[in-house]
Amino acid sequence: NAGVMQNPRHLVRRRGQEARLRCSPMKGHSHVYWYRQLPEEGLKFMVYLQKENIIDESGMPKERFSAEFPKEGPSILRIQQVVRGDSAAYFCASSPSGLISYNSPLHFGNGTRLTVT
Amino acid sequence: DQQVKQNSPSLSVQEGRISILNCDYTNSMFDYFLWYKKYPAEGPTFLISISSIKDKNEDGRFTVFLNKSAKHLSLHIVPSQPGDSAVYFCAASALNRDDKIIFGKGTRLHILP
Repeated sequence: NAGVMQNPRHLVRRRGQEARLRCSPMKGHSHVYWYRQLPEEGLKFMVYLQKENIIDESGMPKERFSAEFPKEGPSILRIQQVVRGDSAAYFCASSPSGLISYNSPLHFGNGTRLTVT
Repeated sequence: DQQVKQNSPSLSVQEGRISILNCDYTNSMFDYFLWYKKYPAEGPTFLISISSIKDKNEDGRFTVFLNKSAKHLSLHIVPSQPGDSAVYFCAASALNRDDKIIFGKGTRLHILP
């Protein structure tokens, strides 16, 4: 886990505010995945990004959620106008290439725990 | 609709005995299966994987068995140690179709002293 850095570790927002979650992938990794874990649930895929490209956002809610991975800097998951149901742990993972292979499974960060009050 | 199912939310095993965690899947396109281990307040850590061309993969105390006809896999930990107490996630991917890894809901393993 040490390689993928997520911040903040904990984030508290009031309903209606914006939440920004950051993820710096492991060194040499150019592909980032975001997953969400709701209480008592498994990890749900949200979005997969390459530098400056969204490859697959099929798991992303259609409204209020967006993600980016700019050429420079970390990947950002943004949640606008947060609601209580957004409270969850958000995990970022990275891989060196776009193909998960037998020798390069996803490496996860320690997550950001978002609490919406 | 859950494609990867872990039907036991929790499991308690005596230290030194074998822990067996089970997982079922529904998507026949899955060809790569993984197990991740997660401690509280940490991210999931990759444990072991198996490709669909194999039926067994072993790494130290951890062995994963795959039964493709039954769409079932299991993780065996032997002997179980206190540090094995964690949540274990089964996951699967269809490597030739897309790059998503689909996770189950997890099984919380308790190793009893």
